[in-house]
Amino acid sequence: DQQVKQNSPSLSVQEGRISILNCDYTNSMFDYFLWYKKYPAEGPTFLISISSIKDKNEDGRFTVFLNKSAKHLSLHIVPSQPGDSAVYFCAAVWAGNNRKLIWGLGTSLAVNP
Amino acid sequence: DAGVTQSPTHLIKTRGQQVTLRCSPKSGHDTVSWYQQALGQGPQFIFQYYEEEERQRGNFPDRFSGHQFPNYSSELNVNALLLGDSALYLCASSLELAGRSSYNEQFFGPGTRLTVL
Repeated sequence: DQQVKQNSPSLSVQEGRISILNCDYTNSMFDYFLWYKKYPAEGPTFLISISSIKDKNEDGRFTVFLNKSAKHLSLHIVPSQPGDSAVYFCAAVWAGNNRKLIWGLGTSLAVNP
Repeated sequence: DAGVTQSPTHLIKTRGQQVTLRCSPKSGHDTVSWYQQALGQGPQFIFQYYEEEERQRGNFPDRFSGHQFPNYSSELNVNALLLGDSALYLCASSLELAGRSSYNEQFFGPGTRLTVL
């Protein structure tokens, strides 16, 4: 039972355009969401997060949007750069499971020059 | 300042064998978490160690055990290996903080690729 779902296994965009990575969740108790980026042969790297009391968080080229009613969040990368090519994981936590991270399957982003 | 290091990078074992994976946390960090990432999956939380004790555990059988040493480094042990244990094992370190901000400061190592034949 996948509580955090990333339904697009891959995404390809042109350099300079916007990349939008989506994530859906089923557990309404999740209260904190994170995005991680993973390059091959490296561990995941924290990218950006958002609390459930907010609907938007922005950090440079990266913005995360949260729609609690739809149990949906998205990561926007603008403008996309070739160095953004990586696998992006959405993860969620809630106090009820002792705040263990629940991860999605990941979306592989390719930014083409 | 070295980040999180893991050894070995790759390992091949046969069914029924036992394996030990090692992790050195980032300097200044005192908490170590272990994750299993099967091919095409997201990381699955195995357990977390703090102050040399297992503090949290995911849905993994007792074949998976761990240890944390006084220098904060950690080992993951898996007994009676199964084919399904083949995966990338990730170690993450962090500094114990109140609240959820510790997730932002959780640093991952490159992982150990375990193949069970």
